Amino acid sequence: TQLLEQSPQFLSIQEGENLTVYCNSSSVFSSLQWYRQEPGEGPVLLVTVVTGGEVKKLKRLTFQFGDARKDSSLHITAAQPGDTGLYLCAGAPSYNQGGKLIFGQGTELSVKP
Amino acid sequence: NAGVTQTPKFQVLKTGQSMTLQCAQDMNHEYMSWYRQDPGMGLRLIHYSVGAGITDQGEVPNGYNVSRSTTEDFPLRLLSAAPSQTSVYFCASSLRGTSTDTQYFGPGTRLTVL
Repeated sequence: TQLLEQSPQFLSIQEGENLTVYCNSSSVFSSLQWYRQEPGEGPVLLVTVVTGGEVKKLKRLTFQFGDARKDSSLHITAAQPGDTGLYLCAGAPSYNQGGKLIFGQGTELSVKP
Repeated sequence: NAGVTQTPKFQVLKTGQSMTLQCAQDMNHEYMSWYRQDPGMGLRLIHYSVGAGITDQGEVPNGYNVSRSTTEDFPLRLLSAAPSQTSVYFCASSLRGTSTDTQYFGPGTRLTVL
């Protein structure tokens, strides 16, 4: 069974600080996605990374896919209270059949003003 | 477009009762899936469908049935509810279910089994 280990599980920081969330596995993924979830709602896709070493930026968020396509990171610069939420990474196994995604446990981020 | 809709939003069941969680999408997506979300465990795949008339099991299928008679609808049936099925259930859809497709999630159903 492929697993995605996400860390940290909880993160509470002050507005303006930087942070990094990690998503690690011993298995190779054909792609990796990052989602953000607000309380009472379903996850919403932020980004998809496909190529080993790929870096994508979304305003203050930077996403990186590891060279070996086994890990990924999400870096937020100058966090704001509006960034508060649950961040989930999800990988598509390299043998992918039927669109299956494997999700990490999630990182609960709280940004205090 | 309404996107992915789920009903009900909340449900309380007694052990042994059965019920159906409804899911519908209006984006003409081929791929639909059901996940459950439990604290500290992320989302786990229950069942999925790659098109009308085709369904398959995910990671945690026991105690759940699905069918896909139309492209739009993908109901999830709990045959005999158990307290271990207390969870938040999300339905999702994507165009073809490829590794780079965007998955669109519904708002979720919060189920409590007493």
